[in-house]
Amino acid sequence: EVQLVESGGGLVQAGRSLRLSCVGSGFTFDDYAMHWVRQAPGKGLEWVSGISWNSANLGYAGSVKGRFTISRDNTKNSLYLQMNSLRLEDTALFYCVKDRGASAAAPLAFDIWGQGTMVTVSS
Amino acid sequence: QSALTQTASVSGSPGQSITISCIGSSSNVGTFNLISWYQQHPGKAPKVMIYEGSKRPSGVSNRFSGSKSGNTASLTISGLQAEDEADYYCCSYAGSSTLVFGGGTKLTVL
Repeated sequence: EVQLVESGGGLVQAGRSLRLSCVGSGFTFDDYAMHWVRQAPGKGLEWVSGISWNSANLGYAGSVKGRFTISRDNTKNSLYLQMNSLRLEDTALFYCVKDRGASAAAPLAFDIWGQGTMVTVSS
Repeated sequence: QSALTQTASVSGSPGQSITISCIGSSSNVGTFNLISWYQQHPGKAPKVMIYEGSKRPSGVSNRFSGSKSGNTASLTISGLQAEDEADYYCCSYAGSSTLVFGGGTKLTVL
């Protein structure tokens, strides 16, 4: 079964850091680009960041650029999101998402989604 | 990046067809055909319905179709069914390894 399982979410104070992790199974992890997509409570989807299969291409939404860092470890079938200087507006359910393609510079579609990990930033 | 513009809500009766529009710009929809559409039911993770503008993943009903004209992408659902009631989001590549979503459209099947 193709699966993505996120972890690392929780309650954190504004200004602090948090690291999200995602483990993929049931597919060849290092063949595909991966992304993080978030959804604030009652709101729409927001693409956060993406990374190519070999980490050669990285992309960030303007709202997180300079604060968040995406990375992956293909030996562990794992995707990460280091989130620093967290703000109240970062409160959201963070989804780990698999791309149909290999490159973040030519993203085809988000075809596999995890169930998400909730990040709540408090003042 | 600016979000793509979608109508907040649309409705239709069973059997009818509806179209959801996604208005972008020459920085995203108008330049790239890397446009995808997602269906999200309450409390569930999104599901891809269309990718690369008009392609359907295996298992997605052929009642769903996608198209593009200029800076506007569209999702058409024909033969509306009760289970189509959900939120729908468009997404486009915006260059430099970035993507942007639309604000979402709530589809109500009357």
